[in-house]
Amino acid sequence: QKEVEQNSGPLSVPEGAIASLNCTYSDRGSQSFFWYRQYSGKSPELIMSIYSNGDKEDGRFTAQLNKASQYVSLLIRDSQPSDSATYLCAGDSGAGSYQLTFGKGTKLSVIP
Amino acid sequence: NAGVTQTPKFQVLKTGQSMTLQCAQDMNHNSMYWYRQDPGMGLRLIYYSASEGTTDKGEVPNGYNVSRLNKREFSLRLESAAPSQTSVYFCAIGPTGSPHEQYFGPGTRLTVT
Repeated sequence: QKEVEQNSGPLSVPEGAIASLNCTYSDRGSQSFFWYRQYSGKSPELIMSIYSNGDKEDGRFTAQLNKASQYVSLLIRDSQPSDSATYLCAGDSGAGSYQLTFGKGTKLSVIP
Repeated sequence: NAGVTQTPKFQVLKTGQSMTLQCAQDMNHNSMYWYRQDPGMGLRLIYYSASEGTTDKGEVPNGYNVSRLNKREFSLRLESAAPSQTSVYFCAIGPTGSPHEQYFGPGTRLTVT
């Protein structure tokens, strides 16, 4: 059973701080990883993707991947109240697979 | 929602009734997916279609059927609804090939009484 594990939170950070969201996965064949943001009552929105070891930065967001440790993280710098949402981590099942396995999500609250 | 539409937005059914959830895209992506999302369970894949004319079961297919009508449309049918199928249903689309990012529609909130 392929699994993607996330701390459910809630994770509370003050406005302007760095929020760190973590995810581990069980399938060593997974090659691509994605972070989705989901506001309450809305659908998941893709915000970051990462395919190789190391860091990938996009504005205030940095995704980190360590395939040896089977670990993915998302850092949000200068957190804003508008970042308050549930963040879903997802990984594929390797080359040729069309499926993503999602974690259950971490709820982030940014306190003004 | 990345060119994905779902109808209806809300639906209440009685146990045993049937209904079809519709999904349509204007992004010309080959792959389409149906998920359900339940509190504490996360997103679970029901069925997917890698391309027009093909469909495959996901993690939780029991009680559902799908039709890939054409490249644009992918429908999900509940033949005899059960209270356990109360959930939020999301359609997603994605390009063929790796990486397999997916883009979600706005969702359908279904209640079965």
